[in-house]
Amino acid sequence: GQNIDQPTEMTATEGAIVQINCTYQTSGFNGLFWYQQHAGEAPTFLSYNVLDGLEEKGRFSSFLSRSKGYSYLLLKELQMKDSASYLCAVKQAGTALIFGKGTTLSVSS
Amino acid sequence: ETGVTQTPRHLVMGMTNKKSLKCEQHLGHNAMYWYKQSAKKPLELMFVYNFKEQTENNSVPSRFSPECPNSSHLFLHLHTLQPEDSALYLCASSQESGANVLTFGAGSRLTVL
Repeated sequence: GQNIDQPTEMTATEGAIVQINCTYQTSGFNGLFWYQQHAGEAPTFLSYNVLDGLEEKGRFSSFLSRSKGYSYLLLKELQMKDSASYLCAVKQAGTALIFGKGTTLSVSS
Repeated sequence: ETGVTQTPRHLVMGMTNKKSLKCEQHLGHNAMYWYKQSAKKPLELMFVYNFKEQTENNSVPSRFSPECPNSSHLFLHLHTLQPEDSALYLCASSQESGANVLTFGAGSRLTVL
């Protein structure tokens, strides 16, 4: 089986940095994904990590430690439009993505 | 049209009704998925189709019946649903079922009275 944990809610202010953590327990690990979902919209792909380390993509970075079953999504220079749910998802070999409950991030001015 | 399109965006139905959700993708992908998204719960995988063949059924009750006539279209037929089936139903597609990145539609918000 698999278990994916992430905080339910987080708040931050514009211009700040926020780190959203995700821990997972799974067999046959084949990569970790982060998706962003604005209210009423489709989830959109943000990042993919399969090797340990940090992947940077503009204001967003994602980190993975396979030995610790741990990932985080780092958002820098927060903007109001970053208010959304952030979904951590794990890929096991031979199956579709399994998602966590998501973290709702609220960015205030 | 581009991406993944779902219709209807909103649906209200009684427990004795029969309705269908439709998903269409214009990405040339070969795999399509149905996920259920309920409040405070993770996205739940329901069904996976790869090259029109069902490859995963995640123990979904038979009152949900998927249909994949071709690689571009996916339906979810609904009948005798329960109020607890009220949720956002998301369709997604990928290059093939082993591929990593899913492209999601905006979802169909279903309310069962």
